[in-house]
Amino acid sequence: SQQGEEDPQALSIQEGENATMNCSYKTSINNLQWYRQNSGRGLVHLILIRSNEREKHSGRLRVTLDTSKKSSSLLITASRAADTASYFCATRNNAGNMLTFGGGTRLMVKP
Amino acid sequence: EAQVTQNPRYLITVTGKKLTVTCSQNMNHEYMSWYRQDPGLGLRQIYYSMNVEVTDKGDVPEGYKVSRKEKRNFPLILESPSPNQTSLYFCASSNRLDQPQHFGDGTRLSIL
Repeated sequence: SQQGEEDPQALSIQEGENATMNCSYKTSINNLQWYRQNSGRGLVHLILIRSNEREKHSGRLRVTLDTSKKSSSLLITASRAADTASYFCATRNNAGNMLTFGGGTRLMVKP
Repeated sequence: EAQVTQNPRYLITVTGKKLTVTCSQNMNHEYMSWYRQDPGLGLRQIYYSMNVEVTDKGDVPEGYKVSRKEKRNFPLILESPSPNQTSLYFCASSNRLDQPQHFGDGTRLSIL
């Protein structure tokens, strides 16, 4: 079953603008992770936020987690054409043995 | 270089012909898993392994087998492939269950 649902499914912005992607999930989690996938390639881990954390930063990335609303957001600031990719959220269940992915957001950053 | 290696990267085959996709990691990770990626469905977990000789089903295990005889290898076996198993497959590993996964570059399977 698909735990996470990303919103929007596709996003097109101009270079320099900020991009915000949202993820909602259904059951309680141990942590939530964001991954990036360039076309046809493997996923690359971006950032992990634990259930007891509310916000994390990594370079131009900012992730928030609201466990009461079962939602997370990924903000990419000052986007670049090289940020063009699909972005996935994934939730780790409390037992830790399953990682469940959402359907992804396709981001296009126009130069 | 730390990596997860899958082989083959591409395979076109026919219904019923047994095939194996290999996965190997050089990071001494305990946890390994297989996913399939289909348009509009994201990644779905097929099987996972928490250590040598310990495997368990994910969300979509039907039609697949796995084994974990050594820590570094986690092959995915399709005993009798069918067209609905045409997909992009990813192997991943992590050191601990609560750590991020390292993904291979994927194997694109087409079952005719």
